[in-house]
Amino acid sequence: NAGVTQTPKFQVLKTGQSMTLQCAQDMNHEYMSWYRQDPGMGLRLIHYSVGAGITDQGEVPNGYNVSRSTTEDFPLRLLSAAPSQTSVYFCASSRDGRSYEQYFGPGTRLTVT
Amino acid sequence: RKEVEQDPGPFNVPEGATVAFNCTYSNSASQSFFWYRQDCRKEPKLLMSVYSSGNEDGRFTAQLNRASQYISLLIRDSKLSDSATYLCVVNQAGTALIFGKGTTLSVSS
Repeated sequence: NAGVTQTPKFQVLKTGQSMTLQCAQDMNHEYMSWYRQDPGMGLRLIHYSVGAGITDQGEVPNGYNVSRSTTEDFPLRLLSAAPSQTSVYFCASSRDGRSYEQYFGPGTRLTVT
Repeated sequence: RKEVEQDPGPFNVPEGATVAFNCTYSNSASQSFFWYRQDCRKEPKLLMSVYSSGNEDGRFTAQLNRASQYISLLIRDSKLSDSATYLCVVNQAGTALIFGKGTTLSVSS
């Protein structure tokens, strides 16, 4: 099993550009989520999904869109990148969001100049 | 008050020491509790779940005090390989997990 995979590993964007961070899991997990991690801020939830076709906002959703057309994939779209979105982005999946272990991808390090 | 609070450390201890981390949470309706470990520039990984009766996994012991809304992690006989950041994680009502900012542990020889 590959677990949770994320691409790209590194990305540099200019302000105003858009891009999609990819996330896929092969564990048939219903719950998937996106976090960003900034120094001194810990992990903050951006968006999450409890199953295909269902998404919801987390703590810091502004500037990001998600969709969940399949159980396996949960892409995160940056609509118009800003320097404040420079961060490390982690995708995670689990059987549910409450009581089961969350498996994280290796992260995407994004820099917006 | 932040939802999950941890002492950021760093905790600097010699090999073989016993070290304890504390965590408090603000939502009394929280139901699930975890400790995750994160190595430098890596993704977080589950260390252990925390059960109401307390639980142990080798050198690691987790305790939960619902009345005080307090979680602890005790590491006995610290190893160099225990050096990492330890994240306290609590579930919020619904499906969201809330992560503390983490406590950094550095074990030296």
